[in-house]
Amino acid sequence: AQSVTQPDIHITVSEGASLELRCNYSYGATPYLFWYVQSPGQGLQLLLKYFSGDTLVQGIKGFEAEFKRSQSSFNLRKPSVHWSDAAEYFCAVVFTGGGNKLTFGTGTQLKVEL
Amino acid sequence: DTAVSQTPKYLVTQMGNDKSIKCEQNLGHDTMYWYKQDSKKFLKIMFSYNNKELIINETVPNRFSPKSPDKAHLNLHINSLELGDSAVYFCASSQDYGAEAFFGQGTRLTVV
Repeated sequence: AQSVTQPDIHITVSEGASLELRCNYSYGATPYLFWYVQSPGQGLQLLLKYFSGDTLVQGIKGFEAEFKRSQSSFNLRKPSVHWSDAAEYFCAVVFTGGGNKLTFGTGTQLKVEL
Repeated sequence: DTAVSQTPKYLVTQMGNDKSIKCEQNLGHDTMYWYKQDSKKFLKIMFSYNNKELIINETVPNRFSPKSPDKAHLNLHINSLELGDSAVYFCASSQDYGAEAFFGQGTRLTVV
């Protein structure tokens, strides 16, 4: 079955520390992959996306993500977290050929300690 | 200019009422969506329209009826509201079906 998983519900990091948020998917082919961020009371903002090509993609706000086909993963990273990065992060996937709808993971809430 | 705008931002209503949420996008996109975010922040697609035609209709009670008068608008009408309908509803649009989606600010619906 097609699915997208974010194993970590909550993550707390200190300001200035590095960050990695995990995302795994289950699918027989390579889907389209996205990371969105949702600040409290706000809509969702696209951080970055992967369709094909270079497996390391750069996004906004200093975020990057790496697609690893062998691990069916698309983990989000940031070398140095800022307090303003505290938010909910969603991995999302379009399983091409399956109606092309955007399917979201359950989200990871990031807290940043000052 | 707001790319995807929803109104109202907050909606508090009594059980049994009928309400509508409006959505407009000025991005020139062909596809629009409605998503529901529950209290645990889980986001699930409800409907998708492409050029005013219904493409996706997930398992949603038929009390929910989307209407797309033109490519730039996708409204959501909800009949006979129930307590379980309380959630945040997001409208979104994308240029192509399956491409990145741009989201509105959400409508927080509270049914009392």
